[in-house]
Amino acid sequence: ETGVTQTPRHLVMGMTNKKSLKCEQHLGHNAMYWYKQSAKKPLELMFVYSLEERVENNSVPSRFSPECPNSSHLFLHLHTLQPEDSALYLCASSQEPPRTGEAGRVSGSLYEQYFGPGTRLTVT
Amino acid sequence: KQEVTQIPAALSVPEGENLVLNCSFTDSAIYNLQWFRQDPGKGLTSLLLIQSSQREQTSGRLNASLDKSSGRSTLYIAASQPGDSATYLCAVSSGGSEKLVFGKGTKLTVNP
Repeated sequence: ETGVTQTPRHLVMGMTNKKSLKCEQHLGHNAMYWYKQSAKKPLELMFVYSLEERVENNSVPSRFSPECPNSSHLFLHLHTLQPEDSALYLCASSQEPPRTGEAGRVSGSLYEQYFGPGTRLTVT
Repeated sequence: KQEVTQIPAALSVPEGENLVLNCSFTDSAIYNLQWFRQDPGKGLTSLLLIQSSQREQTSGRLNASLDKSSGRSTLYIAASQPGDSATYLCAVSSGGSEKLVFGKGTKLTVNP
């Protein structure tokens, strides 16, 4: 496996279900992201895990709960979703400079985000 | 708050034509700018990344320019092909957490 993978690719769930989306990156990156893409709207950043710390967008409802057990895996736990939550959920990863070590060094791919294929979620 | 605008929203051209996609952003204090391609129902593929200190980047038939002071970037596609048909997204990174702010995209159709 290479790049960023996401499972499942398609998910249909009822409003009372609990499900989880999984993302895995094979790029050795240290930051991972969840985005939501709804029809006719720009991509919206939902959550960021950067250098093992979580940075979240305060406008994300609590029915979305992220989990990042290590730098290679990211989950999005879903419960009691609404039909308007139907969208394409995209995961991405990037490389950020470490907190200690060689400060100031920038490579061509630093901060460049690599995206997975997405999970198409439909809430019925 | 950073806002990214892409013009036009949709573009249809005959095969072989050279074309330019436009992106503008409101806050010129950016770290980098990325152009992505998205095929229907699929994820994003990174095309070009321009650091704030750079003026342009080239990859094959693609050339992206950046004018940070005016808040503009263009993506130039030479000799367009039907396989170039997709939505092209522009995104800028401004903050310390390296969040990307996306435009709504330009949907390109290249007709054979």
